[in-house]
Amino acid sequence: NAGVTQTPKFQVLKTGQSMTLQCAQDMNHNSMYWYRQDPGMGLRLIYYSASEGTTDKGEVPNGYNVSRLNKREFSLRLESAAPSQTSVYFCASRAKLTTDTQYFGPGTRLTVL
Amino acid sequence: QQQVKQSPQSLIVQKGGIPIINCAYENTAFDYFPWYQQFPGKGPALLIAIRPDVSEKKEGRFTISFNKSAKQFSLHIMDSQPGDSATYFCAASSDRPTTSGTYKYIFGTGTRLKVLA
Repeated sequence: NAGVTQTPKFQVLKTGQSMTLQCAQDMNHNSMYWYRQDPGMGLRLIYYSASEGTTDKGEVPNGYNVSRLNKREFSLRLESAAPSQTSVYFCASRAKLTTDTQYFGPGTRLTVL
Repeated sequence: QQQVKQSPQSLIVQKGGIPIINCAYENTAFDYFPWYQQFPGKGPALLIAIRPDVSEKKEGRFTISFNKSAKQFSLHIMDSQPGDSATYFCAASSDRPTTSGTYKYIFGTGTRLKVLA
């Protein structure tokens, strides 16, 4: 039982390049989330998905797209990376209820030059 | 109204001290308040959580105090140890699901705690 896994762990991009961050969970959770973590700003929600086939915008969705490929996988895509997207990205999942524990992946550290 | 304000931003205590981290919220629809602990290079992990029907919850050396009327809650770490050095995030979740039927957390900005040996 690996929990929430993310790939890659580190990535360096040049401005304008595109990439996809991958996330998978093996806990049969319904809800999945993408956050970015920046110094002094905590964890900010980018996109989330309540179930397979549904996605919704969070606080900071501009410049990102997501795909909930199936119940296990939720990917985050940067179409044209900008230096402002330099951050640590975390994927998380939760079963269903507000009181269910939200489990986080180990993160992807992305640098955009 | 969706914000959760966390303080202090950083905290240094001696081993055995009792660091206290405070959070405040405005949205009265929030009804679940978890605390997450994050070690460097790792994802956050749930530490302890409380609902507003109780004023205090203890789990080991960690205690949440909750003041519903003031809309504030705090984390106390008893007999703190160097191994407690980490970043701590408070969060809040509403009892009302989103239109797509799930729940979102609003996170505080985090407190970096260092416990000196």
